[in-house]
Amino acid sequence: GNSVTQMEGPVTLSEEAFLTINCTYTATGYPSLFWYVQYPGEGLQLLLKATKADDKGSNKGFEATYRKETTSFHLEKGSVQVSDSAVYFCALGYTGRRALTFGSGTRLQVQP
Amino acid sequence: DAGVIQSPRHEVTEMGQEVTLRCKPISGHNSLFWYRQTMMRGLELLIYFNNNVPIDDSGMPEDRFSAKMPNASFSTLKIQPSEPRDSAVYFCASSSGTSGRIATGTGELFFGEGSRLTVL
Repeated sequence: GNSVTQMEGPVTLSEEAFLTINCTYTATGYPSLFWYVQYPGEGLQLLLKATKADDKGSNKGFEATYRKETTSFHLEKGSVQVSDSAVYFCALGYTGRRALTFGSGTRLQVQP
Repeated sequence: DAGVIQSPRHEVTEMGQEVTLRCKPISGHNSLFWYRQTMMRGLELLIYFNNNVPIDDSGMPEDRFSAKMPNASFSTLKIQPSEPRDSAVYFCASSSGTSGRIATGTGELFFGEGSRLTVL
């Protein structure tokens, strides 16, 4: 079956540090890949997505590249801010009616 | 545009009571999902509907849980009787799913803000 594996948190960084959150997946066919972010007390929001191999999703300074050869979709940001403190979820899904498969989430804490 | 709307945002109840959580999906979306989030288990899919029909309810923990979608704009998740271990945040999400037999969108889900349930 499909699965998503994320690095365990929490990840604690100082402001302006470089961020990488690893995500690898196991899936059949050609899924789309997503990163969702959950701020304290809120629901999940889509951060970025990529729908095919070698696509790069980007938003708010975050980037992730769909690597089919390594089955990875690592999240990166060059300079994190305190406001980026949240839980980040990697997920995969398919066009149509199936539900997304989520990773376990990685908590990011950015200190001033 | 209105997003996914859930109610109540917070619910505190006593063990044995019935709990009903409500969800209004985004207009035009025909797939609806109920997830549960806890510290121990993370984000778990409970059930999802396509065109108001339950497609996969294998994540529903036990017979105390039931979900309905009487029309395209409303769904309920009911727990009867509730137990302390049901305490969690319950999220509803919707997506464009399919239009007839044609798959639409990229699988992206749009989440509500969640209903935080505490069972004492």
